[in-house]
Amino acid sequence: DGGITQSPKYLFRKEGQNVTLSCEQNLNHDAMYWYRQDPGQGLRLIYYSQIVNDFQKGDIAEGYSVSREKKESFPLTVTSAQKNPTAFYLCASSPGEGLDYGYTFGSGTRLTVV
Amino acid sequence: AQSVTQLDSHVSVSEGTPVLLRCNYSSSYSPSLFWYVQHPNKGLQLLLKYTSAATLVKGINGFEAEFKKSETSFHLTKPSAHMSDAAEYFCVVIFNTGGFKTIFGAGTRLFVKA
Repeated sequence: DGGITQSPKYLFRKEGQNVTLSCEQNLNHDAMYWYRQDPGQGLRLIYYSQIVNDFQKGDIAEGYSVSREKKESFPLTVTSAQKNPTAFYLCASSPGEGLDYGYTFGSGTRLTVV
Repeated sequence: AQSVTQLDSHVSVSEGTPVLLRCNYSSSYSPSLFWYVQHPNKGLQLLLKYTSAATLVKGINGFEAEFKKSETSFHLTKPSAHMSDAAEYFCVVIFNTGGFKTIFGAGTRLFVKA
């Protein structure tokens, strides 16, 4: 079955450490997205990519970095510059950008700073 | 400016009674509208979408929503709640403002009592 796979499901980070969250899709979607979810705040866009080797900052990109070397993969690195990284991170994809396209979401990664 | 408002942060119903989750948007642009459901520690799953066809949209699991342009609303309903409906629901709107902008509502948590 086609879908989006996020790993790991749970991740613990020490202060000052960089960590990378994996997102892989086999839907042949062009666009991929990273969202951060905090309780009571809905979803906030971190980064998005509409095509391989290109990506744009979202609303809360500070302290995060991404790459899009392959169509199927869009990893997110949470750097030590992100002061409050504890959150639930969701990766999503869509066929493209447009009014008709909804999103397919992965099952998320819960990151906790210890 | 565009905005999406989910009017209730929490809704509680008894099993077998109707469900109403309210969503309003603000924009001078014609939108596409979506409802997603999220179970704890899971990704978001698409329930239904409106993209300029019929204003009454039927989705999965017995849910439906009606787009009312005059009221700028897209309320989600279900005739009879089931225990498995307990989850968080997100109204999502995509606007074409020259580029495409997606806005997530803050979410409504649905509780279903036995």
